[in-house]
Amino acid sequence: AQSVTQPDIHITVSEGASLELRCNYSYGATPYLFWYVQSPGQGLQLLLKYFSGDTLVQGIKGFEAEFKRSQSSFNLRKPSVHWSDAAEYFCAVGADNDMRFGAGTRLTVKP
Amino acid sequence: EPEVTQTPSHQVTQMGQEVILRCVPISNHLYFYWYRQILGQKVEFLVSFYNNEISEKSEIFDDQFSVERPDGSNFTLKIRSTKLEDSAMYFCASSSSRDRAGELFFGEGSRLTVL
Repeated sequence: AQSVTQPDIHITVSEGASLELRCNYSYGATPYLFWYVQSPGQGLQLLLKYFSGDTLVQGIKGFEAEFKRSQSSFNLRKPSVHWSDAAEYFCAVGADNDMRFGAGTRLTVKP
Repeated sequence: EPEVTQTPSHQVTQMGQEVILRCVPISNHLYFYWYRQILGQKVEFLVSFYNNEISEKSEIFDDQFSVERPDGSNFTLKIRSTKLEDSAMYFCASSSSRDRAGELFFGEGSRLTVL
């Protein structure tokens, strides 16, 4: 069965610093992978997705993610974090009939 | 840009009461979903729905839950007799495709508080 692991529950970075949020997946076939962001009290907004092709995908808000099949990973990165990036980030794997989410990583941005 | 809309945004109810959460999926989408997020926890799959029937459901989706598409636009989640542990944010999502390439579009969520 498909599953997603986000090893970091909470990460704190300084504004302007780089960011990497980790995501590992388990899926029997080639996965379709997503990153969503959730601001407090808000819904889920899609940041980026990987279906096939180039393993480095660009998303909105300056985010990118790299699919590494050998490591079963799909880590999210941003070169310079802004205070408005503080939110909960969810990695998800697309299954045949639905989507399964990781537990989420809460990002705090220090001034 | 088309979006999934959910009502109410927040509902408070007494334990044992029935609750109906409503969703209007994106108009040309065919696959509909409900997810739940208990405060501070992960987003959990509840149920998927296609062609007027449930496609898949999780172990969370017991007999207290039901879904319905009563007309051409609404997709509802009913909890027959709410329990305290049903307090959560409920997200509706829709997709144009059953294939894994299909992206799920999520609504803003309905927060349910059971007292």
